[in-house]
Amino acid sequence: GENVEQHPSTLSVQEGDSAVIKCTYSDSASNYFPWYKQELGKGPQLIIDIRSNVGEKKDQRIAVTLNKTAKHFSLHITETQPEDSAVYFCAASEEMGSNDYKLSFGAGTTVTVRA
Amino acid sequence: ETGVTQTPRHLVMGMTNKKSLKCEQHLGHNAMYWYKQSAKKPLELMFVYSLEERVENNSVPSRFSPECPNSSHLFLHLHTLQPEDSALYLCASSQMGGNTEAFFGQGTRLTVV
Repeated sequence: GENVEQHPSTLSVQEGDSAVIKCTYSDSASNYFPWYKQELGKGPQLIIDIRSNVGEKKDQRIAVTLNKTAKHFSLHITETQPEDSAVYFCAASEEMGSNDYKLSFGAGTTVTVRA
Repeated sequence: ETGVTQTPRHLVMGMTNKKSLKCEQHLGHNAMYWYKQSAKKPLELMFVYSLEERVENNSVPSRFSPECPNSSHLFLHLHTLQPEDSALYLCASSQMGGNTEAFFGQGTRLTVV
C-alpha cells in the first residue's frame, strides 16, 4: 500500500516569511495529491491539490510542486499570516480497484506563524 | 460549512457502553469514509463505503461496527471500547470513480473512560 511521509512535524515562521512542507510517497501509480488544513476543533479542509500531469499549481499565496520521478511533493505558503497557523496534511491517492480510490495521509505539520 | 455533518461533537463513554456516531453528507457523493485521528499520527482509514457497499476494512477491531443505510448516512457503532480508542473520529465523503477531493466533517471527539 501507499506510504506517505511528511516533514517537518512542526514549523514556526515569522509573519511574512515563507513556509515549506515536504512529502514523499511510495506508490508510483498515485496520481492525485491533495493538501488539507486543519484548524483547532475542525475537520481537515482541502486547500490545494495537484494531479500527476502537472508539475506545479498556484492559488494566491499557496503553491504545490510535484516531482513524480522522485516521488515527492511540497506545499509552499508565501507571506504567511497568523491565520495560516494550523495543522497541514499531505495525502496521496491509492487505487483500491474498480476505479475506487482512497487517500493515504502524512502525519501532519503543525505550523505556527509568529506575529 | 463543509456539507458533512457529524454528531455528536463530543462523546465520553465507559468501556462497557454502546454508542453510535452519526455522519450525514449533503453533497450528493457516493462514497463515505471513517477515519481515526490520534495525536502525532497520520489519519488512519478505518472503513470505506462506495455505493453503500463496504469496499475496505482496514483491519479494524470488531468493537467498531460501521453501517451505511444509504449514500447520505454513515454510522459507526461502538461497543466495549478501550481507553486507547480515545481519538477524534472523522467522517468524509467523496465522489468515487473520479479520484477527487474528500470532504471532511468536524469530527467526534471520543473519550473512553
